[in-house]
Amino acid sequence: ETGVTQTPRHLVMGMTNKKSLKCEQHLGHNAMYWYKQSAKKPLELMFVYNFKEQTENNSVPSRFSPECPNSSHLFLHLHTLQPEDSALYLCASSPRQGSNTEAFFGQGTRLTVV
Amino acid sequence: SQKIEQNSEALNIQEGKTATLTCNYTNYSPAYLQWYRQDPGRGPVFLLLIRENEKEKRKERLKVTFDTTLKQSLFHITASQPADSATYLCALDITGANNLFFGTGTRLTVIP
Repeated sequence: ETGVTQTPRHLVMGMTNKKSLKCEQHLGHNAMYWYKQSAKKPLELMFVYNFKEQTENNSVPSRFSPECPNSSHLFLHLHTLQPEDSALYLCASSPRQGSNTEAFFGQGTRLTVV
Repeated sequence: SQKIEQNSEALNIQEGKTATLTCNYTNYSPAYLQWYRQDPGRGPVFLLLIRENEKEKRKERLKVTFDTTLKQSLFHITASQPADSATYLCALDITGANNLFFGTGTRLTVIP
């Protein structure tokens, strides 16, 4: 148990659906991250929030929309996804962006777009 | 182009031997480098962090080296065990924006 919880663990959605991924951390951290992990590819940084402010959008398509209502919660809203968006979506947290310490990851949400 | 390279996609070794994994990077001089372990279907778990002014770091059976001239880190697991079988990822900040970027990982299998 890393202190970072992601729900749901698995999600199957159609290309016209709208769904949301949730991440919650109980570590008192102020930075939260979304990563995408596809087969045979490195983890891709998607979004970074530091003290609830978005500080990084790594050229992510607008069909992915993040939301960070407070430092403990992070959401990823999904709409009109494509099959190539199927992947493991990982949330992580750290004390703050640039703190030079490790990141704590959740277990991920395995997303399948049909 | 790939800026963080982990040379071996897969590595098989006999139980009890030392596993050595390589991480090479280009285009930046990071202040620190990290290693993570990832089991199938789970998130990465932090193992070790080494800073640019440290040549070597140890934790139990794990050892990491960091050569900023060669732009390379080596990750060693001594007296390897089947339970060490997993994918190992190196991570560093390659843009200076204080965000972690990861290599593709090396899948280690320790054979009993």
